[in-house]
Amino acid sequence: NAGVTQTPKFQVLKTGQSMTLQCAQDMNHEYMSWYRQDPGMGLRLIHYSVGAGITDQGEVPNGYNVSRSTTEDFPLRLLSAAPSQTSVYFCASSYSTAGANSYEQYFGPGTRLTVT
Amino acid sequence: GDSVTQMEGPVTLSEEAFLTINCTYTATGYPSLFWYVQYPGEGLQLLLKATKADDKGSNKGFEATYRKETTSFHLEKGSVQVSDSAVYFCALSGRGYSTLTFGKGTMLLVSP
Repeated sequence: NAGVTQTPKFQVLKTGQSMTLQCAQDMNHEYMSWYRQDPGMGLRLIHYSVGAGITDQGEVPNGYNVSRSTTEDFPLRLLSAAPSQTSVYFCASSYSTAGANSYEQYFGPGTRLTVT
Repeated sequence: GDSVTQMEGPVTLSEEAFLTINCTYTATGYPSLFWYVQYPGEGLQLLLKATKADDKGSNKGFEATYRKETTSFHLEKGSVQVSDSAVYFCALSGRGYSTLTFGKGTMLLVSP
C-alpha cells in the first residue's frame, strides 16, 4: 500500500493563479480531509469528505474548492491564489474504529505551497 | 466548539531526561484523544491514542492517560533520545466526527 499520496511536493504560484493539489489513498478509507499547517497555528481543517459525492467545509474553507468523485481521490483546488494561502497542505484519510468514537487519520507527506 | 491547548515550545532537554508535554482540551461529550508526531520535513504520524476516560495510550516509550476530570492528555516519556526531536501535536476527534481538532504543536529538541 502506498497509503496517502500527495502531488506536487512543492509549488510556487503567482497571486491570482489557480491550481489543484492532488491527494489519493489506496486504503479504501471512507473519510478524507484537507488541512493547512502554518507556523504557530497547528493544523486547521479546510474541507472534508465523508464519502464519494459528499463534502463539507471545515474551519478555513474560503478560497478553496473540493470534490470527491471517487473513494480514492480528493483534490483541493485553489481558485485564485493569494499570499495568505502560502502554507503546507496535508491530506488525510481515516476510518472509524471502536464503533463511531475514534477516527485514526493517516496523513500524506504534504505539499509546500508558496504564493508570491 | 472543540479546542486543544498544549504547552508552547520549544522544549529543550538532554538525552535521557524525562519528558512531559501538557495537553488540555475542551469538547462536548466524550472525544477520542491523539498524539501525533511530525519529524522534520515529514507528514504527521500517529504516536498514540485513547478513546475513553482512564485509557492509557502508549507507543515507543511514550504514554498518555485520558483524564476526563481534568480534561487532559499529557504526553510523557521516561528517557528521551536525540531521535525523539520533532514536533508533537495533541488532537481530538469528537464522537461521530471524522476530522481532528489540533493543538498548535510543541517542538521538542533533545541534545546529546
